[in-house]
Amino acid sequence: GQQLNQSPQSMFIQEGEDVSMNCTSSSIFNTWLWYKQDPGEGPVLLIALYKAGELTSNGRLTAQFGITRKDSFLNISASIPSDVGIYFCAGQKAGSQGNLIFGKGTKLSVKP
Amino acid sequence: DSGVTQTPKHLITATGQRVTLRCSPRSGDLSVYWYQQSLDQGLQFLIQYYNGEERAKGNILERFSAQQFPDLHSELNLSSLELGDSALYFCASSVGTGGLYTEAFFGQGTRLTVV
Repeated sequence: GQQLNQSPQSMFIQEGEDVSMNCTSSSIFNTWLWYKQDPGEGPVLLIALYKAGELTSNGRLTAQFGITRKDSFLNISASIPSDVGIYFCAGQKAGSQGNLIFGKGTKLSVKP
Repeated sequence: DSGVTQTPKHLITATGQRVTLRCSPRSGDLSVYWYQQSLDQGLQFLIQYYNGEERAKGNILERFSAQQFPDLHSELNLSSLELGDSALYFCASSVGTGGLYTEAFFGQGTRLTVV
């Protein structure tokens, strides 16, 4: 099935470092969402973006809806151990019925 | 707590069997989605219902079916189960299907193991 290209696949960083991850697609999207999933849990919505160029923050997290509408970025500043998990981007394609397409995830590990 | 309830949390069954997974969406949400998550496949969209009607279909096998009832809860039926069907099955719900109504909230998932 169609998925978004999410990178990097995994990151292993030191506590306090900033983190960047992104999602790209060949299709135009109306909506970009970023989720975090902890082991054994369902994904939790972090940030939602609805307009091209939109920049939205949620605490130490900042996400942007790319100007071309084909990509999105998530940045985490000053990472802490509880940031560990898998981060997924998800998008709703322009003209779709509403179902979200997910990236394969970025697995974040933080070394104290 | 997302407000989306899935039961059961764990299910172990034999090949060839049939199981039913249940989902109660958040209060007020009309749209229900089902996703399958395998280790190497990420979150695969299976099917979406909106207010009782099928809205979108993804990579759902013919052996799988779903429905949304008048009280908006949904069930995912998996039949003739194979070993490869072992996965986490997530239900998500949203208010609607466009713009900010797309924000989907996920349940805790049902872990299905086929032996």
